[in-house]
Amino acid sequence: ILNVEQSPQSLHVQEGDSTNFTCSFPSSNFYALHWYRWETAKSPEALFVMTLNGDEKKKGRISATLNTKEGYSYLYIKGSQPEDSATYLCAFLGSGGGADGLTFGKGTHLIIQP
Amino acid sequence: NAGVTQTPKFQVLKTGQSMTLQCAQDMNHEYMSWYRQDPGMGLRLIHYSVGAGITDQGEVPNGYNVSRSTTEDFPLRLLSAAPSQTSVYFCASSDRHPGTSGVKSSKNIQYFGAGTRLSVL
Repeated sequence: ILNVEQSPQSLHVQEGDSTNFTCSFPSSNFYALHWYRWETAKSPEALFVMTLNGDEKKKGRISATLNTKEGYSYLYIKGSQPEDSATYLCAFLGSGGGADGLTFGKGTHLIIQP
Repeated sequence: NAGVTQTPKFQVLKTGQSMTLQCAQDMNHEYMSWYRQDPGMGLRLIHYSVGAGITDQGEVPNGYNVSRSTTEDFPLRLLSAAPSQTSVYFCASSDRHPGTSGVKSSKNIQYFGAGTRLSVL
């Protein structure tokens, strides 16, 4: 079973502040890393799919970076807004023929305080 | 587009009862999968399918059966429910199975259903 760790588990941030959190994954046999945003009472929705070392993706105020050599990805949120409150999941896909799917981290639960 | 549709949204069962959680997608996706979400755990893969007629086990398959007779449908069956199966279940689909090489990575994005909250008493 692959080890995909997210930290911190939960995070309270003041509205307007910027924040970031981490996903750690195996540095060997990397194929792809996914980030999903999961709002309460909804289903997870994809934010980014990252495949290359040094990748940087951006969607509005949210961006992500990828370091496959050391096995981590950061998700950044600039100028947090209440609607950013959600659980952010990362999911690792190894290159060993991964038809058996993604290995998900436990998520970072982000709460934006007005 | 409906996307991925799961039914029911909520279900309460007694120990030993059987039931089927339905999942349907209208995006002509090859890959479909079932996950369960438990407190303090990440999403864990139960079963998956890379196409009609093909299914395989994930990380936590015990107590569950699946079939994939059509591209659109991927039902999950609990043959004899146990309290340990109390969980939230998510069905997901993607254009291609996540391990497909040489395919644009966007085709590996998972589309999730709204979830089924199951309690087994």
